[in-house]
Amino acid sequence: DAGVIQSPRHEVTEMGQEVTLRCKPISGHDYLFWYRQTMMRGLELLIYFNNNVPIDDSGMPEDRFSAKMPNASFSTLKIQPSEPRDSAVYFCASSLGRGDQPQHFGDGTRLSIL
Amino acid sequence: GQQLNQSPQSMFIQEGEDVSMNCTSSSIFNTWLWYKQDPGEGPVLLIALYKAGELTSNGRLTAQFGTTRKDSFLNISASIPSDVGIYFCAGPRAGNTPLVFGKGTRLSVIA
Repeated sequence: DAGVIQSPRHEVTEMGQEVTLRCKPISGHDYLFWYRQTMMRGLELLIYFNNNVPIDDSGMPEDRFSAKMPNASFSTLKIQPSEPRDSAVYFCASSLGRGDQPQHFGDGTRLSIL
Repeated sequence: GQQLNQSPQSMFIQEGEDVSMNCTSSSIFNTWLWYKQDPGEGPVLLIALYKAGELTSNGRLTAQFGTTRKDSFLNISASIPSDVGIYFCAGPRAGNTPLVFGKGTRLSVIA
C-alpha cells in the first residue's frame, strides 16, 4: 500500500526564492498535517486540514508560510520569500477519522535555504 | 499548553543491552503513542496504548500506559544496531485534536 508521499526529498535554494513542498496523503485519509522538524524545536505542527478544509493554522510561523489542499489527494506548503532560518525537515502526515488518531508520516523534505 | 517530556534525551548503549525510556506530562492523556524515526525517514508508529495500565508488546518492544495517565514507558530488550533512531511519544491534546509530540529520545547502539 502506498504511504504518504512527499516531494521533493531535498531542496536547496537561495534566500528570497519561493519554495513549494508537496504531499499526497494516504488514500481515504481525511486528515492531513504539516510539521517542521529542527534539532532545537523538535516536531512542530504547522497546520492541519480535515476534508480539505484548514482547521488550525496557529503553528504557521509567519505570513511567508501558506498551505493549501485543493483536493483530497494533494496538499502544498509554500514559503515565499524563503529565509535561511526556514531550513529544516518538513513532514506531511495523514490520519483517518479523527484528529487524535495515529498519524502516518511521509519521509519528509529536507529544505536548505542558503 | 500540554507538553510531553521525554527522558533521557539521548543514550548510548552496547548491543545486547536492554533500554528503558519514558514520557511524562503534567496533564492526563487518554492515548499514548510511540513512534520511531530512522535517520533520513519519517516517524513510524510502533505501539499505541489506549487504557491506563495497558501493557503492549511489539517484538522486542514493550510499552506501558501509566496508571496515573500522565506517563508512559517504552522498553527495548536485547538491543541491535537497527534500533538506532529517535523515539517519540505522542498523545492527543484533548478529544478530537491533533497529537502532541515529545522532543524524542535519541538512541545510539554500539556494536
